[in-house]
Amino acid sequence: GDSVTQMEGPVTLSEEAFLTINCTYTATGYPSLFWYVQYPGEGLQLLLKATKADDKGSNKGFEATYRKETTSFHLEKGSVQVSDSAVYFCALSPGGYNKLIFGAGTRLAVHP
Amino acid sequence: DAGVIQSPRHEVTEMGQEVTLRCKPISGHNSLFWYRQTMMRGLELLIYFNNNVPIDDSGMPEDRFSAKMPNASFSTLKIQPSEPRDSAVYFCASSPGGTGTDTQYFGPGTRLTVL
Repeated sequence: GDSVTQMEGPVTLSEEAFLTINCTYTATGYPSLFWYVQYPGEGLQLLLKATKADDKGSNKGFEATYRKETTSFHLEKGSVQVSDSAVYFCALSPGGYNKLIFGAGTRLAVHP
Repeated sequence: DAGVIQSPRHEVTEMGQEVTLRCKPISGHNSLFWYRQTMMRGLELLIYFNNNVPIDDSGMPEDRFSAKMPNASFSTLKIQPSEPRDSAVYFCASSPGGTGTDTQYFGPGTRLTVL
């Protein structure tokens, strides 16, 4: 079945460091891909998405490119801030089907 | 808009009791989802509705769980009887349409503890 695999956390970085969180997926057809973020005590909120191969999603300095050839959707940010500390979830929505399949989540801690 | 509203935010109950979680989706959204989040299993989709009709309930763990959506502005998730292994954070989410490209908007969650 469809699935999402994320790098295990926690990821601990200093402020202004470069961030990469790896995400790979297994899916039949043409899924849409998402990154959601969960701040402590809150629900998830969409960070960015890409709906077809080679699309790049971006928001708040975060970017991810939909790579069909490597079945990946890695999240990157050039300079993280303390306020970026949260849990990040990679997810896919199977083609034509309105549901989300989530990865296990990666906790990011950014220190001053 | 107020966003997705869930109640209660916290619920502590004893094993065997009935628990009802409530959700009000964003006005105008056609799809509604219930998720469960635990340390062991992560985020799991329990059930989702489109235009108030249940479309996929394959994630509902067992017959003790039931969900209803009597109208476009209200949904409930009921557990009867509750068990300690049901302790989790339950999220409700809604989306504007019924396609896989839609963004889902999550509520703040209900933290359920079953003693």
